[in-house]
Amino acid sequence: GAVVSQHPSWVICKSGTSVKIECRSLDFQATTMFWYRQFPKQSLMLMATSNEGSKATYEQGVEKDKFLINHASLTLSTLTVTSAHPEDSSFYICSARDSQGTTGNTIYFGEGSWLTVV
Amino acid sequence: KQEVTQIPAALSVPEGENLVLNCSFTDSAIYNLQWFRQDPGKGLTSLLLIQSSQREQTSGRLNASLDKSSGRSTLYIAASQPGDSATYLCAASGNTPLVFGKGTRLSVIA
Repeated sequence: GAVVSQHPSWVICKSGTSVKIECRSLDFQATTMFWYRQFPKQSLMLMATSNEGSKATYEQGVEKDKFLINHASLTLSTLTVTSAHPEDSSFYICSARDSQGTTGNTIYFGEGSWLTVV
Repeated sequence: KQEVTQIPAALSVPEGENLVLNCSFTDSAIYNLQWFRQDPGKGLTSLLLIQSSQREQTSGRLNASLDKSSGRSTLYIAASQPGDSATYLCAASGNTPLVFGKGTRLSVIA
């Protein structure tokens, strides 16, 4: 089945530094990818929708200058958390839409990335 | 705007019991509905995906149903096992990206 690879799975960074998370669709082209964030005991919340070759669409309350999203190819989207602070510590997960799959518009998830800012 | 609600928020059952998790959504214009499992400290595991044209899907001891008209889906787990303990999330996919419920934390007691 379709696979979405997310890297790294775990990352610890110092406050004030930036960290990049990659999301790759391994066996399908994803014109659209989504980035979610989940705080402890909370639901997954959509941060932004990433469209290949264009600017990402951010959800209300998500700082686009802090969470930089790049979708330069049909198989790769990256999320960069800039000037990270401890409150950015969270579980970040990406998903990709396979619009050409047999079931149409199926969304596949990466395994997620745990970010801890110290 | 799509809203997804899951009831109950937490559930504790003895091993061997059959159980039902509920999911409701406000916008019936969905492509599909998915059920996921999330273990503590781990990512998401997709359990079942029901297309909008389908009524149910089965995988092993799991059965998920979908009633678009009423905006409801249920996940039925038969003969529960301690290994089933996890948080179960449902998510609706439509014109907007996947919208998740807050999940049901299931504990199966041996």
